[in-house]
Amino acid sequence: GAGVSQTPSNKVTEKGKYVELRCDPISGHTALYWYRQSLGQGPEFLIYFQGTGAADDSGLPNDRFFAVRPEGSVSTLKIQRTERGDSAVYLCASSQDRGVEQYFGPGTRLTVT
Amino acid sequence: GIQVEQSPPDLILQEGANSTLRCNFSDSVNNLQWFHQNPWGQLINLFYIPSGTKQNGRLSATTVATERYSLLYISSSQTTDSGVYFCAVPPIGSNYKLTFGKGTLLTVNP
Repeated sequence: GAGVSQTPSNKVTEKGKYVELRCDPISGHTALYWYRQSLGQGPEFLIYFQGTGAADDSGLPNDRFFAVRPEGSVSTLKIQRTERGDSAVYLCASSQDRGVEQYFGPGTRLTVT
Repeated sequence: GIQVEQSPPDLILQEGANSTLRCNFSDSVNNLQWFHQNPWGQLINLFYIPSGTKQNGRLSATTVATERYSLLYISSSQTTDSGVYFCAVPPIGSNYKLTFGKGTLLTVNP
């Protein structure tokens, strides 16, 4: 079956602009996660959804970051007033349920100029 | 939070050689995942291994949860094995929040 998909694969934006990154999880997976990976580092947790609700958003760096999953499937990560420090690869993952094996998408490379 | 250390940070092999990658973690865990990040950035699942030993072709992994470490063995390495290998664990209280090590960069030369 299809894996986790993310769009766009690359996004270049100017400082101060708003961006949306989309994640389509594996069909039937109730848990969805966003991570961020900076160059030379491992991914870092941002937020976890169980169904439609954000069960843990403790990894979001500040209030410019927000994510939604309105129908319990597709999720959108929204970043307002982008800063150059937001440049990174944003990874989405899903799992059948909480606490089991996570599967990652190919990521969106965000560059803020 | 939980700390994850991977060693070695870099490893260069000739095709056909064997290698062992290590992952140490600072606290008790209920699960552990090994990933291979290929040169295009895709994280590929290798093992979901909270404890014990698993094998998949030329790769195998062992986790000794009581001693807080896991090992990934790669035998008869191929150039396509090149990339970064990550282990990731979640803390017991938040069993979904994967904490990654910094990875081992493996280069396999022909």
